[in-house]
Amino acid sequence: ELKVEQNPLFLSMQEGKNYTIYCNYSTTSDRLYWYRQDPGKSLESLFVLLSNGAVKQEGRLMASLDTKARLSTLHITAAVHDLSATYFCAVFTGNQFYFGTGTSLTVIP
Amino acid sequence: NAGVTQTPKFQVLKTGQSMTLQCAQDMNHEYMSWYRQDPGMGLRLIHYSVGAGITDQGEVPNGYNVSRSTTEDFPLRLLSAAPSQTSVYFCASRPGRWLLNTEAFFGQGTRLTVV
Repeated sequence: ELKVEQNPLFLSMQEGKNYTIYCNYSTTSDRLYWYRQDPGKSLESLFVLLSNGAVKQEGRLMASLDTKARLSTLHITAAVHDLSATYFCAVFTGNQFYFGTGTSLTVIP
Repeated sequence: NAGVTQTPKFQVLKTGQSMTLQCAQDMNHEYMSWYRQDPGMGLRLIHYSVGAGITDQGEVPNGYNVSRSTTEDFPLRLLSAAPSQTSVYFCASRPGRWLLNTEAFFGQGTRLTVV
């Protein structure tokens, strides 16, 4: 059974601090996706990572993929309140998306 | 450009009732799918379709039926609602399984409560 595990599940961080969310997956896949979800809202695509060593950055968020380690990271730099949301990673394989359980991020002043 | 449209946004059903959740996309995407989101469990795939006339089961298909008669529409049917089906349901689409650099686009969700 394919598993996608994220940690931490909950993250409370102060504004201005840095932190990393980890996504481990149990199958061979070179497609890894990161999504953001605000409370009561839909999922918004953040990053699509398609190869080993891929790194993408958008504002204060940077995502990377290590397919050999089956690990993706989402790094947050100098957090601001607007980044408060739940972040999901997902693997696409065999015509299916497999989602992690999500990391609920709260940025506090 | 409407993207992925789900209806209704909210629904309350009694145990044993049936209903259909609607999903439509206007992006000519081949791939469509239904997920349910429950607290602490992420999103779990119910059913998916890789094109009109083709559907397949996901991780949690029991109690749900789908069909794909057109490229645009992918309705999800609850045959006999149970309290365990209380959840938030998301429909998603993407261009096609062979296009690597494309993410899935999600609808706004349907919040279903079964009493």
